[in-house]
Amino acid sequence: NAGVTQTPKFQVLKTGQSMTLQCAQDMNHNSMYWYRQDPGMGLRLIYYSASEGTTDKGEVPNGYNVSRLNKREFSLRLESAAPSQTSVYFCASSAYAGQARGYTFGSGTRLTVV
Amino acid sequence: DAKTTQPPSMDCAEGRAANLPCNHSTISGNEYVYWYRQIHSQGPQYIIHGLKNNETNEMASLIITEDRKSSTLILPHATLRDTAVYYCIVRPSNFGNEKLTFGTGTRLTIIP
Repeated sequence: NAGVTQTPKFQVLKTGQSMTLQCAQDMNHNSMYWYRQDPGMGLRLIYYSASEGTTDKGEVPNGYNVSRLNKREFSLRLESAAPSQTSVYFCASSAYAGQARGYTFGSGTRLTVV
Repeated sequence: DAKTTQPPSMDCAEGRAANLPCNHSTISGNEYVYWYRQIHSQGPQYIIHGLKNNETNEMASLIITEDRKSSTLILPHATLRDTAVYYCIVRPSNFGNEKLTFGTGTRLTIIP
């Protein structure tokens, strides 16, 4: 039972390149989230999906797109990477939208844009 | 959501109780206090939450003052594995409020 799985764990991109961060959960959770964490900072919500088929913007959505492929998978795409997007990206899921005690986080994707 | 204030860092000796304070003076009546922790850049982990009564689980205890303007997370017998950043979060425990907002937290270091 893996929980929330993120791939890749590390990635280096050149400015202007695109890539997709993958996230999958095996807990049959309805809601999924993408956060970013810059050095020395707290986590900031990028996008979330309250249920399969829906997505909404969080605090810092600019430069990102998301796809809720099915109930298990929620991907984050950077269309044209910028150095300001260098960060650690965390995916999370919860059984129900806004269930604050029930968030399960993945181990993160460390992205560097040069 | 109400704002929280936490000390940036604290030390605690291994085996002693670690008491982490959180100030949330603007908390409203329907808002809960949640605690998460983040160990060495892993994803955050839920610890405990409460509304106005003190709470205890297998990981920690949560003490909320009577006026609810502050709270303390207690790790009763701290171990080296409790070294982490601890986040105090205040928000309504209702469905539909999507933002679980993390501040900068308290970096707790357990000293051998």
